[in-house]
Amino acid sequence: QKEVEQDPGPLSVPEGAIVSLNCTYSNSAFQYFMWYRQYSRKGPELLMYTYSSGNKEDGRFTAQVDKSSKYISLFIRDSQPSDSATYLCAMKAAGNKLTFGGGTRVLVKP
Amino acid sequence: DSGVTQTPKHLITATGQRVTLRCSPRSGDLSVYWYQQSLDQGLQFLIQYYNGEERAKGNILERFSAQQFPDLHSELNLSSLELGDSALYFCASSASSDPAEGYTFGSGTRLTVV
Repeated sequence: QKEVEQDPGPLSVPEGAIVSLNCTYSNSAFQYFMWYRQYSRKGPELLMYTYSSGNKEDGRFTAQVDKSSKYISLFIRDSQPSDSATYLCAMKAAGNKLTFGGGTRVLVKP
Repeated sequence: DSGVTQTPKHLITATGQRVTLRCSPRSGDLSVYWYQQSLDQGLQFLIQYYNGEERAKGNILERFSAQQFPDLHSELNLSSLELGDSALYFCASSASSDPAEGYTFGSGTRLTVV
């Protein structure tokens, strides 16, 4: 079993819809949680990071962490075609390297 | 532009050969990380250097080695290449050795072994 599980998708939504992404993890030592966006053939780009349970907002993006359930989510409001990409969750324990989920491919249709 | 520079962008080589991938971290970053991304394995951590010293090792094959130089740039050496080594290789950097805010990635080197 992988430490971090993420549905590969693809997730197809109409423009303007809310995109909902999530990851589950098994390692209770994970303390820091991130979401990256990766366009085709490009490097991952950090979108958000958080280290506490609860919600964190940044513009159209909301990251949610539930440590008791070992579950994290990313919501994208008012989705645009330019949001079409692969979204990777990542997490780490203190002193350890970043562990990534497999990524969810998102397609926002105009 | 993330500030992390990787060269070359593309590399095509034959099985059994040796290649060197180069990474220049963001200005001021002391940590460099190498990741391999393949379709079936996702992003896999290979190795981390901090200020010239090896800090952490992941599932890096013995045929692979890396180093970080005094000017903080890093090189990943891949030898006795096999078809299965074809992948995207990413370098990332961070200011500290254990950042809570994640790493900044470069654009990657696409390696094709034929």
